[in-house]
Amino acid sequence: GAVVSQHPSWVICKSGTSVKIECRSLDFQATTMFWYRQFPKQSLMLMATSNEGSKATYEQGVEKDKFLINHASLTLSTLTVTSAHPEDSSFYICSAGKFVSDTQYFGPGTRLTVL
Amino acid sequence: GESVGLHLPTLSVQEGDNSIINCAYSNSASDYFIWYKQESGKGPQFIIDIRSNMDKRQGQRVTVLLNKTVKHLSLQIAATQPGDSAVYFCAENIMGQAGTALIFGKGTTLSVSS
Repeated sequence: GAVVSQHPSWVICKSGTSVKIECRSLDFQATTMFWYRQFPKQSLMLMATSNEGSKATYEQGVEKDKFLINHASLTLSTLTVTSAHPEDSSFYICSAGKFVSDTQYFGPGTRLTVL
Repeated sequence: GESVGLHLPTLSVQEGDNSIINCAYSNSASDYFIWYKQESGKGPQFIIDIRSNMDKRQGQRVTVLLNKTVKHLSLQIAATQPGDSAVYFCAENIMGQAGTALIFGKGTTLSVSS
């Protein structure tokens, strides 16, 4: 199977600080990774599509200057939540596929709590 | 947009029963469908997928049925076990469109009592 990891698994930060979340494909290369956000008892909502070597594509309503995405290699994408506020508290999940249009495998998620 | 449709937000069954979870999709162009299982505090786990050129696919204890006429997808779990308790999401995608993300349904919480 394909394994996707995320780090950290949980983080608590103060309001106004920035938090970086890493998403790695451990045993395959991923040209495209996806970032989702999930609020309690809700479904996954796509935030952005992360493409290796190019700018991310953000969904409508997602602030690109607040949620910085970097996809520096075929196995690593990072999401930085800048100037985090309590309303940014959520479960952030990334996914990746072996090919550009294939089954997506999800990371274990990162629980962000902003105080 | 998000797929919304025929689904029960919660489903309670007894251990050993068969479970059926339904999902409707909205995009007639979607040609790839996946069921995911998500346990509390974890990321979605792939269960089974099906492409639009099929109407049924079986895995271990699970079967996915696809009805393209009414844009309906179902997941059948045989001999449901307490470990099957989780939230189940259907997701749709369009194969061949490079880099397209999955569109998730709202999810059904399956509770299995022993």
